[in-house]
Amino acid sequence: GAGVSQSPSNKVTEKGKDVELRCDPISGHTALYWYRQRLGQGLEFLIYFQGNSAPDKSGLPSDRFSAERTGESVSTLTIQRTQQEDSAVYLCASSFIPNSNQPQHFGDGTRLSIL
Amino acid sequence: ILNVEQSPQSLHVQEGDSTNFTCSFPSSNFYALHWYRWETAKSPEALFVMTLNGDEKKKGRISATLNTKEGYSYLYIKGSQPEDSATYLCAFSNAGGTSYGKLTFGQGTILTVHP
Repeated sequence: GAGVSQSPSNKVTEKGKDVELRCDPISGHTALYWYRQRLGQGLEFLIYFQGNSAPDKSGLPSDRFSAERTGESVSTLTIQRTQQEDSAVYLCASSFIPNSNQPQHFGDGTRLSIL
Repeated sequence: ILNVEQSPQSLHVQEGDSTNFTCSFPSSNFYALHWYRWETAKSPEALFVMTLNGDEKKKGRISATLNTKEGYSYLYIKGSQPEDSATYLCAFSNAGGTSYGKLTFGQGTILTVHP
């Protein structure tokens, strides 16, 4: 497809389990971003990739969160030992180059619910 | 911590009304200001990316202005239609460093247009 694709669209899991969220950016986009939106809050930056490197991972809330990107394409966000406060919509976006004068193109998100 | 404020938090208008909302951001080290529309069950869609003080952008019935010296942007919708109902997000970027591609989002303005 032409847009940013995220999977799964919904994930329900028990507290303490690990989860992996996947993002397929638009082909040729070198920059990839992860955000999350918790209930009642705004979009919160987590990490961004330039190619396969992550120049800014300052938004990752704890060491239970990690992300990688391979082949300058697919990215995976992993949350270990999930907690209830991790429940949120996780959004991925990509842009042609990692410059904030470029619009970001978003996926539909993964709605993560931790029981 | 960068503070991006949007007002009002929510807005109800009648079809045909014109409306506007505000995004306030730090006036120092400005690089770019983005507006996105996020409809329920869809992905956020880029409306405008603005980089210059005094910028005015237009897309159909929607337009935006930018004042970087005082740190605000207005989004205007002329003749609102029910399909304009969405959350409108603004996002700010300051210049330089490893945060080059990073956006800080406001909490959004939820617009509901009643037929």
